[in-house]
Amino acid sequence: DQQVKQNSPSLSVQEGRISILNCDYTNSMFDYFLWYKKYPAEGPTFLISISSIKDKNEDGRFTVFLNKSAKHLSLHIVPSQPGDSAVYFCAASASSGTYKYIFGTGTRLKVLA
Amino acid sequence: DGGITQSPKYLFRKEGQNVTLSCEQNLNHDAMYWYRQDPGQGLRLIYYSQIVNDFQKGDIAEGYSVSREKKESFPLTVTSAQKNPTAFYLCASSIGRANGNEQFFGPGTRLTVL
Repeated sequence: DQQVKQNSPSLSVQEGRISILNCDYTNSMFDYFLWYKKYPAEGPTFLISISSIKDKNEDGRFTVFLNKSAKHLSLHIVPSQPGDSAVYFCAASASSGTYKYIFGTGTRLKVLA
Repeated sequence: DGGITQSPKYLFRKEGQNVTLSCEQNLNHDAMYWYRQDPGQGLRLIYYSQIVNDFQKGDIAEGYSVSREKKESFPLTVTSAQKNPTAFYLCASSIGRANGNEQFFGPGTRLTVL
């Protein structure tokens, strides 16, 4: 049972344009969400997070939007750069005292120069 | 420099042998985690530890064992009982409970069982 889903395995975008990566979740108890970026043969690095009390969080070129009613979040990268080419994972956790993060399967972003 | 180290980066073992993957952190984090990544799949939780001398099974704990004798160390043993051990293994840590806290990841160890 995949509680966090990233339905697009891959995405290609032209340099300078907007990249939109999507993530859906099924567990209504999730109230904290994170995005990670991962290069091949390396560990993921944290990008940005959002709490369910917000619907938007921005950090430089990266913005995460949360739609709680649709159980959907998205990561926008503007403008996209070739160095953004990587696999992006979304993750979710619940505030019910758990230490667990649930990860999606990832979306491979390719930014074309 | 604070961070998480995993060693070795590449590891080869013969089928039927146990192997231990190292994970050390100097971030003073209470919680530590082991994940496995396979092609086309997300990160699957093997074991996690909230505090020293305590650990819990994750979603795919069968064939693995861990220990948490020191705050900074969380080694993972891949036993011969693990049916498909070849994978990329990632160790992570966080300051505390998942909610509101990000996880920091190590560089990973790629284990290949021949």
